[in-house]
Amino acid sequence: SQQGEEDPQALSIQEGENATMNCSYKTSINNLQWYRQNSGRGLVHLILIRSNEREKHSGRLRVTLDTSKKSSSLLITASRAADTASYFCATDNGSQKLVFGQGTRLTINP
Amino acid sequence: EAGVAQSPRYKIIEKRQSVAFWCNPISGHATLYWYQQILGQGPKLLIQFQNNGVVDDSQLPKDRFSAERLKGVDSTLKIQPAKLEDSAVYLCASSFPQGGLYEQYFGPGTRLTVT
Repeated sequence: SQQGEEDPQALSIQEGENATMNCSYKTSINNLQWYRQNSGRGLVHLILIRSNEREKHSGRLRVTLDTSKKSSSLLITASRAADTASYFCATDNGSQKLVFGQGTRLTINP
Repeated sequence: EAGVAQSPRYKIIEKRQSVAFWCNPISGHATLYWYQQILGQGPKLLIQFQNNGVVDDSQLPKDRFSAERLKGVDSTLKIQPAKLEDSAVYLCASSFPQGGLYEQYFGPGTRLTVT
């Protein structure tokens, strides 16, 4: 069963704009991870945030986590055409197993 | 460092036929996972191995799916007989502990089409 729900399901923006995707989950977690999947390719790990962290940065990526609301957001700043992909959040309750959401399809228009 | 290898990349079979997928994890990764990703959905865990033992296969349809991990390294996932609803991408991932956390590394996947 899917643990997380991403919002929106699809997002289309202009190159250079910022993209924000949200993820909500249902049960307590040890950590939450974001992955990117380009068309026809496997999943690439982007960033991991532990349950005791509130914000994390990696290059143009910023992830926030609000465990009281059971939600997380992924912000991609200064988007590029190469950022076009599907983005998934995945939760780990400490069992080393990931439960993925349905994903957000991001399209960056030139 | 070589990534997770999977083969074949694509497979087309008719329903009721059998099919097998192969995965070679990153060297030294003790944990191996098989996921099923249906078009438009997120990956769903089918089975998790720790070395050559099964940790979790609660979502594996055992009447038709089977998996094994030979000598704690390579793994094969088999479907017999296949159904139309088995059409999906089958992803293999491996992980190792780093600071108490387990980042999973995914292979390119095998796209299965059942006709």
